[in-house]
Amino acid sequence: NAGVTQTPKFRVLKTGQSMTLLCAQDMNHEYMYWYRQDPGMGLRLIHYSVGEGTTAKGEVPDGYNVSRLKKQNFLLGLESAAPSQTSVYFCASKKGQGDQPQHFGDGTRLSIL
Amino acid sequence: KQEVTQIPAALSVPEGENLVLNCSFTDSAIYNLQWFRQDPGKGLTSLLLIQSSQREQTSGRLNASLDKSSGRSTLYIAASQPGDSATYLCAVDRGSTLGRLYFGRGTQLTVWP
Repeated sequence: NAGVTQTPKFRVLKTGQSMTLLCAQDMNHEYMYWYRQDPGMGLRLIHYSVGEGTTAKGEVPDGYNVSRLKKQNFLLGLESAAPSQTSVYFCASKKGQGDQPQHFGDGTRLSIL
Repeated sequence: KQEVTQIPAALSVPEGENLVLNCSFTDSAIYNLQWFRQDPGKGLTSLLLIQSSQREQTSGRLNASLDKSSGRSTLYIAASQPGDSATYLCAVDRGSTLGRLYFGRGTQLTVWP
């Protein structure tokens, strides 16, 4: 009964370092999303994917890259971390087009020093 | 661009009260509206999804209404309990193939015994 699993849960990076956040879902969902949540702001979409092998930019894509090589996994990469990327990152998945809710992971809390 | 506003930002009430949380959106051309619950340090849990053709949805003590023409939704919580303490987020789906959600900043609810 895992749903959407994000790893790691916490991470501290130094400016300029790189890292990859992993999102895995076991519900055979087609659509997957990466959001960031900052204090006093709503969730903002970084990148999304509507199927294996496809990705696209969301509202705030700069400084991030993504890959969806397998249907169940959606990776978010930071090539050169900046303090402005300190945030809580959420992955979500959705069955497909239509009136279905998005299912969220528990988030990754990332601090960039 | 779709703007989603939630009022109030925070609410503190004694146990047993009936509550109304408000959500407004600027573009009435929506596909559906979703209410989520977020507990501290956790991801989002979908509570209710109202399709654009519906007026309301109910789940247990929760009732959500939708008035597309006025750009408003309300979440009604009956007989509030301390376990209802959380942040409640409203999100609007504009209906593109992406299924992208536009989030409000949330209402932080505290129910004290």
